[in-house]
Amino acid sequence: EPEVTQTPSHQVTQMGQEVILRCVPISNHLYFYWYRQILGQKVEFLVSFYNNEISEKSEIFDDQFSVERPDGSNFTLKIRSTKLEDSAMYFCASSGTGRTEAFFGQGTRLTVV
Amino acid sequence: AQSVTQPDIHITVSEGASLELRCNYSYGATPYLFWYVQSPGQGLQLLLKYFSGDTLVQGIKGFEAEFKRSQSSFNLRKPSVHWSDAAEYFCAVGHHPGDMRFGAGTRLTVKP
Repeated sequence: EPEVTQTPSHQVTQMGQEVILRCVPISNHLYFYWYRQILGQKVEFLVSFYNNEISEKSEIFDDQFSVERPDGSNFTLKIRSTKLEDSAMYFCASSGTGRTEAFFGQGTRLTVV
Repeated sequence: AQSVTQPDIHITVSEGASLELRCNYSYGATPYLFWYVQSPGQGLQLLLKYFSGDTLVQGIKGFEAEFKRSQSSFNLRKPSVHWSDAAEYFCAVGHHPGDMRFGAGTRLTVKP
């Protein structure tokens, strides 16, 4: 069964460093998303991406965040200068042409120290 | 404002007992409704979804959910819980994944 894969599963970084979280969406999907879940809190939408551009973003997705689809298979989330409060589980998701539901990856746990 | 409420933070049931997890939402129009399950260290797996039509929907792993428009609810049920059902359950609503709001989750513990 096709699935969304994320790497790494866990990343530890120092405050102020840049991190790139990687995702391989389901191959025939057209819409891609990032969500995050701070420990003990709700899953929150960050950004959606379609046709090589951001289609929606939340107020959380500020200038320190960026997304890119560098090739035909990967979808990345970059955090330019990490803060302690960026520590969270980051989920990548994708959806097909109907865009009715999101299929989630396993998540990347980011720990900023 | 759009919101999703899962009133129960933690529920404990005995194996073989029935289960109902509650979800209420506030949304401008009837959204799509979802239940996801997250096992420890795992991602979010879709259990079931409601878009339109029959208000009782069947999902994977023996789960079902009933949409009640008058109560703005979408409660998840299972007639007989298995130990492997222990996990965190999230209700989510939205018209598309970029519009999705999640509840805070309900952690299910299953007693032997």
